[in-house]
Amino acid sequence: SAVISQKPSRDICQRGTSLTIQCQVDSQVTMMFWYRQQPGQSLTLIATANQGSEATYESGFVIDKFPISRPNLTFSTLTVSNMSPEDSSIYLCSVEGTGGETQYFGPGTRLLVL
Amino acid sequence: AQSVTQPDIHITVSEGASLELRCNYSYGATPYLFWYVQSPGQGLQLLLKYFSGDTLVQGIKGFEAEFKRSQSSFNLRKPSVHWSDAAEYFCAVAGGTSYGKLTFGQGTILTVHP
Repeated sequence: SAVISQKPSRDICQRGTSLTIQCQVDSQVTMMFWYRQQPGQSLTLIATANQGSEATYESGFVIDKFPISRPNLTFSTLTVSNMSPEDSSIYLCSVEGTGGETQYFGPGTRLLVL
Repeated sequence: AQSVTQPDIHITVSEGASLELRCNYSYGATPYLFWYVQSPGQGLQLLLKYFSGDTLVQGIKGFEAEFKRSQSSFNLRKPSVHWSDAAEYFCAVAGGTSYGKLTFGQGTILTVHP
C-alpha cells in the first residue's frame, strides 16, 4: 500500500492569488496524478506527473493555470494560479500501487476561494 | 472516450436491508473497473476492483460487485447495510496504459436509516 499526505488540508484564499498544494508519498512511485472534485461533483483528472518530465494535462486543463512539479519519486506539487471562486474544490493527489493495479488517494486539500 | 454513469444520485435504505448501487460504463476495450467510497471529510478508499477473470468480485467491508459485459454494468451490492456504510460511492473505469487515469461516475450518496 501507499500512504499519501497532502498539505495544506484546507485553505481559504482570495481571488487572484495562487496556492501550491504538496503531495508526499511514503514510497517511490513512477506516476502521480492530480484530481479535482468540485462541490457536489465527481472527480476529474487534471494531469499526470512523471518524475523528470513535464506533466501531461487532460482536456480542459492547462499548465499556466495548474503548473505541476515532480522533483523526485515521492513528491509533487500542484499550483492553482490566479484563483477565482470557480476553483473552489477538493484537490486530490493519487498514485499507483506496486504492480499498478491499485490507485491510492491522498486525503485531499479543500480549497475555498473568496 | 470512456465514461461512467451512476443513475442514482441518492439512495436511502434501512439498516440491515440489502443494497445495490448501479454503475454503467462505456469503454471500447476490456475495462478495468473500480468502486470507491468517500466518507464525509475522508479520502477515497478502494472497495474492490475488476480486471479480468471471475465476474463476481469480493471487496472489503462485505461489498461485492458483478461485472456484466453484455449490460456494460458493474453494480455494487451488499446483503446487509450497516449505519457506518453511509457515504458517497463512486464507480470508476480505467483505460489505456495506466490504471491511474480514472474516469469517475457522478457518485451515489447512501443514507442509512436506523
